[in-house]
Amino acid sequence: QVQLVQSGAEMKKPGASVQVSCKASGYTFTSHSLHWVRQAPGQRLEWMGAINPGNGNSKYSQKFQDRVTFTRDTSANTVFMELRSLRSEDTAVYFCTNPLSFGGNAFDYWGQGTQVTVSS
Amino acid sequence: DIVMTQSPVSLPVTPGEPASISCRSSQSLLHGNGYNYLHWYLQKPGRSPQLLIHLGSIRASGVPDRFSGSGSGTDFTLRISRVVAEDVGVYHCMQALQTPYTFGQGTRLEIK
Repeated sequence: QVQLVQSGAEMKKPGASVQVSCKASGYTFTSHSLHWVRQAPGQRLEWMGAINPGNGNSKYSQKFQDRVTFTRDTSANTVFMELRSLRSEDTAVYFCTNPLSFGGNAFDYWGQGTQVTVSS
Repeated sequence: DIVMTQSPVSLPVTPGEPASISCRSSQSLLHGNGYNYLHWYLQKPGRSPQLLIHLGSIRASGVPDRFSGSGSGTDFTLRISRVVAEDVGVYHCMQALQTPYTFGQGTRLEIK
Protein backbone atom coordinates (compact mmCIF):
# COMPACT_ATOMS: atom_id res chain seq x y z
CA GLN A 1 0.00 0.00 0.00
CA VAL A 2 1.07 3.59 -0.52
CA GLN A 3 2.99 5.12 2.37
CA LEU A 4 4.80 8.38 2.95
CA VAL A 5 7.04 8.18 6.02
CA GLN A 6 8.69 11.33 7.28
CA SER A 7 11.72 11.90 9.48
CA GLY A 8 11.43 12.75 13.13
CA ALA A 9 10.91 15.97 15.05
CA GLU A 10 13.58 18.66 14.91
CA MET A 11 14.51 21.50 17.24
CA LYS A 12 16.57 24.29 15.74
CA LYS A 13 17.90 27.71 16.69
CA PRO A 14 16.99 30.83 14.72
CA GLY A 15 19.18 31.23 11.65
CA ALA A 16 19.84 27.51 11.32
CA SER A 17 18.67 25.15 8.58
CA VAL A 18 16.52 22.04 8.81
CA GLN A 19 16.11 19.09 6.48
CA VAL A 20 13.03 16.90 6.54
CA SER A 21 12.81 13.68 4.57
CA CYS A 22 9.84 11.84 3.11
CA LYS A 23 10.25 8.21 2.05
CA ALA A 24 7.68 6.95 -0.43
CA SER A 25 6.62 3.37 -1.04
CA GLY A 26 3.85 1.42 -2.72
CA TYR A 27 3.86 3.24 -6.05
CA THR A 28 6.24 4.32 -8.81
CA PHE A 29 8.22 7.07 -7.11
CA THR A 30 9.29 8.88 -10.28
CA SER A 31 5.79 9.08 -11.75
CA HIS A 32 4.07 11.42 -9.29
CA SER A 33 4.91 14.81 -7.85
CA LEU A 34 5.45 15.22 -4.13
CA HIS A 35 4.29 18.36 -2.37
CA TRP A 36 5.14 19.99 0.94
CA VAL A 37 2.47 21.61 3.13
CA ARG A 38 3.04 23.12 6.54
CA GLN A 39 0.77 23.97 9.47
CA ALA A 40 1.89 26.55 12.00
CA PRO A 41 0.07 26.71 15.34
CA GLY A 42 -3.33 28.33 14.89
CA GLN A 43 -2.70 28.98 11.20
CA ARG A 44 -4.20 27.55 8.05
CA LEU A 45 -2.46 24.88 6.02
CA GLU A 46 0.15 26.41 3.72
CA TRP A 47 1.45 24.96 0.45
CA MET A 48 5.22 25.35 0.11
CA GLY A 49 5.82 23.78 -3.28
CA ALA A 50 6.38 20.54 -5.12
CA ILE A 51 9.07 18.40 -6.70
CA ASN A 52 8.91 16.13 -9.70
CA PRO A 53 10.95 13.12 -8.53
CA GLY A 54 11.34 11.97 -12.13
CA ASN A 55 13.48 14.88 -13.26
CA GLY A 56 14.17 16.71 -10.01
CA ASN A 57 12.44 19.91 -11.11
CA SER A 58 10.74 21.90 -8.36
CA LYS A 59 8.17 24.64 -8.11
CA TYR A 60 8.20 26.78 -4.99
CA SER A 61 5.69 29.12 -3.45
CA GLN A 62 7.00 32.65 -3.82
CA LYS A 63 6.82 33.02 -0.04
CA PHE A 64 9.52 30.38 0.42
CA GLN A 65 11.38 30.72 -2.87
CA ASP A 66 14.55 32.16 -1.37
CA ARG A 67 14.82 29.82 1.62
CA VAL A 68 13.65 26.37 0.56
CA THR A 69 15.09 23.62 -1.61
CA PHE A 70 13.54 20.28 -2.53
CA THR A 71 15.77 17.40 -3.61
CA ARG A 72 15.27 13.71 -4.20
CA ASP A 73 17.17 10.44 -4.04
CA THR A 74 15.62 8.08 -6.54
CA SER A 75 17.63 5.12 -5.27
CA ALA A 76 15.99 5.54 -1.87
CA ASN A 77 12.55 6.75 -3.06
CA THR A 78 13.02 9.73 -0.78
CA VAL A 79 12.38 13.44 -1.11
CA PHE A 80 14.05 16.06 1.07
CA MET A 81 12.91 19.53 2.06
CA GLU A 82 15.55 21.96 3.33
CA LEU A 83 14.46 25.23 4.89
CA ARG A 84 17.17 27.78 5.67
CA SER A 85 17.48 30.90 7.81
CA LEU A 86 14.89 29.59 10.23
CA ARG A 87 12.88 31.98 12.35
CA SER A 88 10.35 31.41 15.09
CA GLU A 89 7.50 31.76 12.60
CA ASP A 90 8.74 28.58 10.88
CA THR A 91 7.70 26.54 13.91
CA ALA A 92 5.15 24.21 12.36
CA VAL A 93 4.27 20.67 11.41
CA TYR A 94 5.57 19.90 7.92
CA PHE A 95 3.75 17.36 5.75
CA CYS A 96 4.67 15.71 2.50
CA THR A 97 1.73 14.72 0.35
CA ASN A 98 0.94 13.69 -3.19
CA PRO A 99 -1.90 13.67 -5.70
CA LEU A 100 -1.74 10.03 -6.61
CA SER A 101 -5.17 8.69 -7.46
CA PHE A 102 -7.53 11.52 -8.30
CA GLY A 103 -7.67 14.43 -10.69
CA GLY A 104 -7.39 18.10 -9.98
CA ASN A 105 -4.22 17.80 -7.90
CA ALA A 106 -6.15 16.46 -4.90
CA PHE A 107 -3.78 15.21 -2.20
CA ASP A 108 -4.86 11.70 -1.27
CA TYR A 109 -1.78 10.47 0.58
CA TRP A 110 -0.05 12.31 3.40
CA GLY A 111 2.99 11.69 5.55
CA GLN A 112 2.55 11.62 9.30
CA GLY A 113 3.99 15.11 9.68
CA THR A 114 7.28 16.36 11.15
CA GLN A 115 7.30 18.89 13.96
CA VAL A 116 9.95 21.58 13.49
CA THR A 117 10.46 23.89 16.44
CA VAL A 118 12.57 27.03 16.11
CA SER A 119 13.61 28.50 19.42
CA SER A 120 16.63 30.12 20.97
CA ASP B 1 -2.89 34.35 -4.87
CA ILE B 2 -6.40 32.91 -4.62
CA VAL B 3 -7.87 33.63 -1.20
CA MET B 4 -10.07 30.94 0.35
CA THR B 5 -12.61 31.90 3.00
CA GLN B 6 -14.48 29.34 5.07
CA SER B 7 -17.42 29.76 7.40
CA PRO B 8 -18.19 29.16 10.12
CA VAL B 9 -14.90 28.91 11.98
CA SER B 10 -16.49 26.79 14.71
CA LEU B 11 -19.42 24.42 14.27
CA PRO B 12 -21.01 22.71 17.27
CA VAL B 13 -23.40 19.97 16.14
CA THR B 14 -25.71 17.55 17.92
CA PRO B 15 -25.17 13.92 16.83
CA GLY B 16 -27.67 12.92 14.18
CA GLU B 17 -28.14 16.49 13.01
CA PRO B 18 -26.91 17.86 9.66
CA ALA B 19 -23.97 20.22 9.24
CA SER B 20 -22.91 22.56 6.48
CA ILE B 21 -19.63 24.38 5.78
CA SER B 22 -19.17 27.13 3.23
CA CYS B 23 -16.02 27.84 1.24
CA ARG B 24 -15.61 30.84 -1.04
CA SER B 25 -12.73 31.64 -3.35
CA SER B 26 -11.55 35.02 -4.59
CA GLN B 27 -11.42 33.69 -8.17
CA SER B 28 -13.34 31.05 -10.08
CA LEU B 29 -12.00 27.54 -9.60
CA LEU B 30 -13.59 26.22 -12.76
CA HIS B 31 -10.96 24.57 -14.95
CA GLY B 32 -11.25 24.46 -18.71
CA ASN B 33 -12.05 20.76 -18.43
CA GLY B 34 -15.33 21.58 -16.70
CA TYR B 35 -14.25 20.53 -13.21
CA ASN B 36 -13.86 22.77 -10.21
CA TYR B 37 -10.42 22.37 -8.65
CA LEU B 38 -11.77 22.55 -5.11
CA HIS B 39 -11.09 19.81 -2.57
CA TRP B 40 -12.23 19.15 0.99
CA TYR B 41 -10.13 17.57 3.74
CA LEU B 42 -10.82 16.48 7.29
CA GLN B 43 -8.03 16.68 9.84
CA LYS B 44 -8.89 14.62 12.90
CA PRO B 45 -7.18 15.61 16.16
CA GLY B 46 -3.47 14.85 16.05
CA ARG B 47 -3.64 13.41 12.53
CA SER B 48 -2.70 14.37 9.01
CA PRO B 49 -5.44 15.74 6.74
CA GLN B 50 -7.42 13.16 4.81
CA LEU B 51 -9.16 13.74 1.49
CA LEU B 52 -12.95 13.70 1.67
CA ILE B 53 -14.17 15.30 -1.55
CA HIS B 54 -12.29 16.15 -4.72
CA LEU B 55 -13.21 18.25 -7.71
CA GLY B 56 -15.96 19.91 -5.73
CA SER B 57 -18.35 17.00 -5.43
CA ILE B 58 -16.70 13.58 -5.84
CA ARG B 59 -16.29 11.54 -2.68
CA ALA B 60 -12.87 9.97 -2.23
CA SER B 61 -12.59 6.20 -1.79
CA GLY B 62 -14.03 4.96 1.48
CA VAL B 63 -15.70 8.24 2.44
CA PRO B 64 -19.19 7.66 3.88
CA ASP B 65 -22.08 8.84 1.73
CA ARG B 66 -23.28 11.16 4.50
CA PHE B 67 -20.61 13.55 3.15
CA SER B 68 -21.44 15.53 0.02
CA GLY B 69 -19.91 18.48 -1.79
CA SER B 70 -21.55 20.97 -4.09
CA GLY B 71 -20.96 24.31 -5.75
CA SER B 72 -19.17 25.81 -8.70
CA GLY B 73 -17.08 28.80 -9.59
CA THR B 74 -16.39 30.63 -6.35
CA ASP B 75 -19.00 29.21 -3.97
CA PHE B 76 -18.82 25.73 -2.47
CA THR B 77 -20.48 23.78 0.32
CA LEU B 78 -19.62 20.64 2.26
CA ARG B 79 -22.59 18.93 3.86
CA ILE B 80 -22.82 16.14 6.39
CA SER B 81 -26.30 14.66 6.40
CA ARG B 82 -26.14 13.23 9.92
CA VAL B 83 -23.14 13.98 12.09
CA VAL B 84 -21.56 11.18 14.14
CA ALA B 85 -18.88 11.41 16.81
CA GLU B 86 -16.07 10.35 14.45
CA ASP B 87 -16.69 13.43 12.26
CA VAL B 88 -15.03 15.66 14.87
CA GLY B 89 -12.03 17.59 13.58
CA VAL B 90 -11.07 20.51 11.38
CA TYR B 91 -12.42 20.70 7.83
CA HIS B 92 -10.30 22.45 5.23
CA CYS B 93 -11.10 23.49 1.69
CA MET B 94 -8.25 23.85 -0.78
CA GLN B 95 -7.99 25.25 -4.28
CA ALA B 96 -5.64 23.47 -6.65
CA LEU B 97 -6.39 25.43 -9.82
CA GLN B 98 -3.27 27.56 -9.68
CA THR B 99 -0.12 27.72 -7.60
CA PRO B 100 0.36 28.56 -4.85
CA TYR B 101 -2.39 26.15 -3.82
CA THR B 102 -4.25 27.77 -0.96
CA PHE B 103 -6.42 26.60 1.90
CA GLY B 104 -9.30 28.03 3.86
CA GLN B 105 -8.74 28.87 7.52
CA GLY B 106 -10.48 25.69 8.61
CA THR B 107 -13.78 24.90 10.32
CA ARG B 108 -13.65 23.08 13.64
CA LEU B 109 -16.59 20.70 14.05
CA GLU B 110 -17.35 19.66 17.61
CA ILE B 111 -20.06 17.54 19.13
CA LYS B 112 -22.53 19.32 21.40
